[in-house]
Amino acid sequence: GAGVSQSPSNKVTEKGKDVELRCDPISGHTALYWYRQSLGQGLEFLIYFQGNSAPDKSGLPSDRFSAERTGGSVSTLTIQRTQQEDSAVYLCASTPPEGASGYTFGSGTRLTVV
Amino acid sequence: AQSVAQPEDQVNVAEGNPLTVKCTYSVSGNPYLFWYVQYPNRGLQFLLKYITGDNLVKGSYGFEAEFNKSQTSFHLKKPSALVSDSALYFCAVRDRGRDDKIIFGKGTRLHILP
Repeated sequence: GAGVSQSPSNKVTEKGKDVELRCDPISGHTALYWYRQSLGQGLEFLIYFQGNSAPDKSGLPSDRFSAERTGGSVSTLTIQRTQQEDSAVYLCASTPPEGASGYTFGSGTRLTVV
Repeated sequence: AQSVAQPEDQVNVAEGNPLTVKCTYSVSGNPYLFWYVQYPNRGLQFLLKYITGDNLVKGSYGFEAEFNKSQTSFHLKKPSALVSDSALYFCAVRDRGRDDKIIFGKGTRLHILP
């Protein structure tokens, strides 16, 4: 596609429920990243996929968070047993193979846990 | 380890005056450096990047940034601020020698006063 697509754009869920957030990167972009932005805060790195390499999961805040990337394209970020502190905007970005490129971000998924 | 520091949480500038948003970085090798902007209720947009060559980089919306290797800085500048420049600005760095994620600063909120 022309840009990075994220769905849903907004998600309201009850505390304790599981949620899945989807990211469809730009075609041909080998690297995919998930970040989290809490209200008025900076960008918190969550996880990074690069080609067929093992993902860098160093930013995942707890074992309730996991992510998959199927076929080197679409990625799903799953949050189990959601907590109120999980409320944030979840941003996905992708880049082509060359390291000099910056990210192209999706519009994000605003998650609200009530 | 890579890191980025944006020492100012907020910068206030009168419309028409020059603006500077500060950024310093730390990487083990040579850096790729980026600036992104986030307008209210919108996603992150790429502004400009430094890869190599001229230390003064020109980007979107009249912004520019100067790479200073000795001071490990990459300050964002604009000669004449507009009210529409009011937004959240993020500096970011990627280690040139590593196949790795981009690290973002915590952001600086820029207020342009009419």
